[in-house]
Amino acid sequence: NAGVTQTPKFRILKIGQSMTLQCAQDMNHNYMYWYRQDPGMGLKLIYYSVGAGITDKGEVPNGYNVSRSTTEDFPLRLELAAPSQTSVYFCASIDMNTEAFFGQGTRLTVV
Amino acid sequence: EDQVTQSPEALRLQEGESSSLNCSYTVSGLRGLFWYRQDPGKGPEFLFTLYSAGEEKEKERLKATLTKKESFLHITAPKPEDSATYLCAVQARTGNQFYFGTGTSLTVIP
Repeated sequence: NAGVTQTPKFRILKIGQSMTLQCAQDMNHNYMYWYRQDPGMGLKLIYYSVGAGITDKGEVPNGYNVSRSTTEDFPLRLELAAPSQTSVYFCASIDMNTEAFFGQGTRLTVV
Repeated sequence: EDQVTQSPEALRLQEGESSSLNCSYTVSGLRGLFWYRQDPGKGPEFLFTLYSAGEEKEKERLKATLTKKESFLHITAPKPEDSATYLCAVQARTGNQFYFGTGTSLTVIP
């Protein structure tokens, strides 16, 4: 039982490039979340999904897109990367009313 | 607007010196309040969920309590391995979002 797996762990992007951050969970949870964490700023919700085929915006969705074609996977897409997207990204999954399980994070630098 | 405020931002304790971390929240109907521990370079790790005022939960040297406006994480006789950032999050009854505070960075000095 791997829990929540995020790939890659580290990535450097040039301004204007695109990439997809992968998130997979093997706990059959319906709810999945993407957060970004900036120093001293806490976790900010980017997008979330309550089940396959359903996604919704969080607090800071601009510059990102998501899809949820299966229960297991919830990829986060960055189009036209900007320096403001330099951050640590965390994916989490939850079976409602229980704890949230977080991945180990993806550290992204946009230069 | 739903909000979570944690204090202090940083706390340094001597080993064995007990203290408390605060999480104040404003939410339109609380579904649950969550405490997490985060070590450098890692994802948050679940500690407790509290659902109603008056509820308390304990785990080793940690004890979490909840009132209608705030939660406390009490640390009794801390050890250096308790050093971490402690995050608080709330979930409203309506909606599926979790709102996180900015965390308290705890350092326990031997």
